[in-house]
Amino acid sequence: GESVGLHLPTLSVQEGDNSIINCAYSNSASDYFIWYKQESGKGPQFIIDIRSNMDKRQGQRVTVLLNKTVKHLSLQIAATQPGDSAVYFCAEQNSGGSNYKLTFGKGTLLTVNP
Amino acid sequence: DSGVTQTPKHLITATGQRVTLRCSPRSGDLSVYWYQQSLDQGLQFLIQYYNGEERAKGNILERFSAQQFPDLHSELNLSSLELGDSALYFCASSPRPGVAEAFFGQGTRLTVV
Repeated sequence: GESVGLHLPTLSVQEGDNSIINCAYSNSASDYFIWYKQESGKGPQFIIDIRSNMDKRQGQRVTVLLNKTVKHLSLQIAATQPGDSAVYFCAEQNSGGSNYKLTFGKGTLLTVNP
Repeated sequence: DSGVTQTPKHLITATGQRVTLRCSPRSGDLSVYWYQQSLDQGLQFLIQYYNGEERAKGNILERFSAQQFPDLHSELNLSSLELGDSALYFCASSPRPGVAEAFFGQGTRLTVV
């Protein structure tokens, strides 16, 4: 596969540990946030989303936390597996505007060691 | 498989040339988005179409253009190519604008030499 980025923040964890990936977003008007996973050689894949009227949302093995006060988003992955190794992006959107674009963060490279 | 198809997967071309990237959205999706991913800029939104009409524009250069056809497939045209245009170009689709759970294709890797 091809590397998505050479200067990404990196997180290395042991298989079975919990992972926490952090993201600071920029636009205080953003009200919809999404985490994407991108494996080498593939396009981004939707993981979980959260609206600004929530501060926590849980999925299967993943939890997203939103702190609007400090414009911070985190993704927690429980019992991390080797298949979780990928680049993780947070994205923000102002769903009330006419521009539906997603603004992506720079990404974090997660490496899971067996 | 996301259901979004992009062709070609790889493209190598010379500076000054023009290329066309093609995207077929998921069946039933009316909205198509184009993104550029480079090592230093990350994922950058370029442009969005909905049912054939342009809905939103991002950081798209004037040398670039796009369109969505009646059958909903989309093409991204890149002209007067420069070395800095080398990147991965992704297409994503969703049922309608504003749906953030967009499904991404595998991308086209463009290399300008």
